[in-house]
Amino acid sequence: DQQVKQNSPSLSVQEGRISILNCDYTNSMFDYFLWYKKYPAEGPTFLISISSIKDKNEDGRFTVFLNKSAKHLSLHIVPSQPGDSAVYFCAVTQVGYQKVTFGTGTKLQVIP
Amino acid sequence: EAGVTQFPSHSVIEKGQTVTLRCDPISGHDNLYWYRRVMGKEIKFLLHFVKESKQDESGMPNNRFLAERTGGTYSTLKVQPAELEDSGVYFCASSPTTGTSGNTIYFGEGSWLTVV
Repeated sequence: DQQVKQNSPSLSVQEGRISILNCDYTNSMFDYFLWYKKYPAEGPTFLISISSIKDKNEDGRFTVFLNKSAKHLSLHIVPSQPGDSAVYFCAVTQVGYQKVTFGTGTKLQVIP
Repeated sequence: EAGVTQFPSHSVIEKGQTVTLRCDPISGHDNLYWYRRVMGKEIKFLLHFVKESKQDESGMPNNRFLAERTGGTYSTLKVQPAELEDSGVYFCASSPTTGTSGNTIYFGEGSWLTVV
């Protein structure tokens, strides 16, 4: 039972354009959401997070949007850079519960 | 500050053999997690320690997997006997005490296991 779904396994975007990565979750109990970035042969690194009390969180070129009613979140990267090419994992959890559940990842390729 | 470190980085063993993976969390982090990624799929939760206690081991595949965290510092994950389907990348992660850093967990680089 996949609680976190990233339906796009891959995405190609031109350098300078916007990258939009999507994530859907099934359990309305989740109230904290994270995005991790993973380069080949490295562990995932934390990118940005958002609490369920917000619908948007911005950090430089990265913005995460949360739509609680649709159980959907998205990561926007603008402008996209070649160094952003990586696999992006959406992750969900409940505050205080600690266990983090990950999606299957979306491989982003930013074309110079 | 040192990050989460894992050893070995790569291991190739025969079916039926035993492998022990080690994880050293970030100093001071009470929470330690083991995750596994098999064949490009999702990063799947295995278990969670709070200090030396197993808080949640619901993701452990079967009794061939044994995780320990004696003394609440480093942790080991033993697979005995290993099967072909155990191949994958085993990630260790740690996080501070609940309520800080907003549930962000910090990963090691992973231990790649290949069972042949």
